[in-house]
Amino acid sequence: AQTVTQSQPEMSVQEAETVTLSCTYDTSENNYYLFWYKQPPSRQMILVIRQEAYKQQNATENRFSVNFQKAAKSFSLKISDSQLGDTAMYFCAFSSNRDDKIIFGKGTRLHILP
Amino acid sequence: GAGVSQSPRYKVAKRGQDVALRCDPISGHVSLFWYQQALGQGPEFLTYFQNEAQLDKSGLPSDRFFAERPEGSVSTLKIQRTQQEDSAVYLCASSHTGLAGYNEQFFGPGTRLTVL
Repeated sequence: AQTVTQSQPEMSVQEAETVTLSCTYDTSENNYYLFWYKQPPSRQMILVIRQEAYKQQNATENRFSVNFQKAAKSFSLKISDSQLGDTAMYFCAFSSNRDDKIIFGKGTRLHILP
Repeated sequence: GAGVSQSPRYKVAKRGQDVALRCDPISGHVSLFWYQQALGQGPEFLTYFQNEAQLDKSGLPSDRFFAERPEGSVSTLKIQRTQQEDSAVYLCASSHTGLAGYNEQFFGPGTRLTVL
């Protein structure tokens, strides 16, 4: 069974700083996808970034980038130049290449301080 | 609207009551998913539809939970004889088709169910 672990329940950083959220996962699959989702206080879940396991290059989306270490089963999210609107719960998630469901971690609550 | 909508947004039920939660997916999306998110936790998969076919219901916690999507569009999640442990936010998501890695799942705002 696949599991996703986020070891940081809560983090706070000053606006404009860079912050890294950690995630580890466990799977016996070789082909899979990893995601970071953002859930602002309004509760609508939004996909931030996606990584395909067979791609060695780390995914980037504007200020968001990941550090994907397949051998270590690690998938961290880096937010550069953090903004107040980045305040949210962030969920690391996994999906097998052969599956439909997404498996989520417990989340990290991120506070961006003015 | 262009997004996934859910109703009601909030539901309070007395223990033992039946509830029905509605999800309107994005028009044209073939796949529809239900997740349960307990307080302070990440969402957990409940069930998945492709059109009107329920292809995976492995996450439904008990036979009190039932989901349907009779015309391949709107879906209803029904919980019979609600218990306090059913209190959670129920999230609906839709995508063009299955295989979460290939097709982004778009989430609705959720229905917060409180069972007293």
